[in-house]
Amino acid sequence: EIVMTQSPATLSVSPGERATLSCRASQSVSSDLAWYQQKPGQAPRLLIYAAGARGNGIPARFTGGGFGTEFTLTISDLQSEDFVLYFCQQYNNWPNTFGQGTKLEIK
Amino acid sequence: EVQLVESGGDLVQPGGSLRLSCAASGFTLSPYWVTWVRQAPGRGLEWVASINQDGSRKKYVDSWKGRFTISRDSAKNSVDLHVNSLRTDDTGVYYCARGNYFLDFWGQGTLVTVSS
Repeated sequence: EIVMTQSPATLSVSPGERATLSCRASQSVSSDLAWYQQKPGQAPRLLIYAAGARGNGIPARFTGGGFGTEFTLTISDLQSEDFVLYFCQQYNNWPNTFGQGTKLEIK
Repeated sequence: EVQLVESGGDLVQPGGSLRLSCAASGFTLSPYWVTWVRQAPGRGLEWVASINQDGSRKKYVDSWKGRFTISRDSAKNSVDLHVNSLRTDDTGVYYCARGNYFLDFWGQGTLVTVSS
């Protein structure tokens, strides 16, 4: 099973600034990587798939990058609603697995 | 409105069983793989099982193989997850979602609590 490790566990950034979240895979997953956002009490929402493609209706402020074992999610011009939980997930190798999440908090 | 609605979650004793259902409204599920994902308190998201469009292919994560069974009913536009021999660490919110690789549309989840 591929282990996905997200860092940091909590990231403190000021509104209007840029946040960069990291996700590392224990072995190569090529570009088979997705990112999700989860607000309190809600289901996750797909942000990014194929490492860099935005999901339906996702603002251009959200940018995914990386390949192989190292991936990033960059959120520019942080808005108040962005300070929630983010997960990465690989789908290159069964079973598909998620990272443990990064909580983005207001600095 | 396009939505996935889970139901069937409940408080159940260890060793008990439940049938969780995922019903689609506003669209048809038949062209899609459907997946169940669990979110246990403090344990993040865990992939549980996936089923293909006509129900002929089912994929289970080993942790749940043998205790969980996924099925679908095209007439009801729904997908079920039968969960047996429940343990306290099965407690969590169970989500259904559309897809087999990445999940592009999720329901709001149903809460399963396993406790004596």
